[in-house]
Amino acid sequence: GAVVSQHPSWVICKSGTSVKIECRSLDFQATTMFWYRQFPKQSLMLMATSNEGSKATYEQGVEKDKFLINHASLTLSTLTVTSAHPEDSSFYICSARDPRGQIPTDTQYFGPGTRLTVL
Amino acid sequence: DQQVKQNSPSLSVQEGRISILNCDYTNSMFDYFLWYKKYPAEGPTFLISISSIKDKNEDGRFTVFLNKSAKHLSLHIVPSQPGDSAVYFCAASGSGAAGNKLTFGGGTRVLVKP
Repeated sequence: GAVVSQHPSWVICKSGTSVKIECRSLDFQATTMFWYRQFPKQSLMLMATSNEGSKATYEQGVEKDKFLINHASLTLSTLTVTSAHPEDSSFYICSARDPRGQIPTDTQYFGPGTRLTVL
Repeated sequence: DQQVKQNSPSLSVQEGRISILNCDYTNSMFDYFLWYKKYPAEGPTFLISISSIKDKNEDGRFTVFLNKSAKHLSLHIVPSQPGDSAVYFCAASGSGAAGNKLTFGGGTRVLVKP
């Protein structure tokens, strides 16, 4: 089946530094990718929709200058958490939509997630 | 305002019995619903979905029921197996340009006891 990878799987950084998380679709080209965050024992919250070759669409309340998204190719989207603070510590998950699927929502595949801890 | 709610945070069931997970939604624009299974430190994996034009969809041991008037859906797993122990999320999607955006419920942790 389709595979979406994320790198790194976990990262610990100091407050004030920036962290880049990569999301790759390994066997299909994804024009659309999504970034979610999940706090402990809570649901996945959509942060933004990443569109290849154009600007990302951010959900209400998500700071686009803090969470920079770049979808430079059909298989790669990156999320950069700029000037990270402890409250940014979370589990970040990306998903990629396989355009070959008949039902778009059924063919949205999730990466394994990245655990970010900001000290 | 949580548009998709799973009111039971956890569920414990004996192996071989039925697991019933419930989900309620408030946004009447949602017309497609999905269930995902998630293990710790992994991304969700798609289980089963249902369109609002249907009231039931079955796939092997998994059946999803939709009651559109009550804005309620449920996932039945029968028979439950120890490998089903995971967190289950229901998710909802609208049509049109927003059709790919998923709104998730809070999840229900299922423990299947051997």
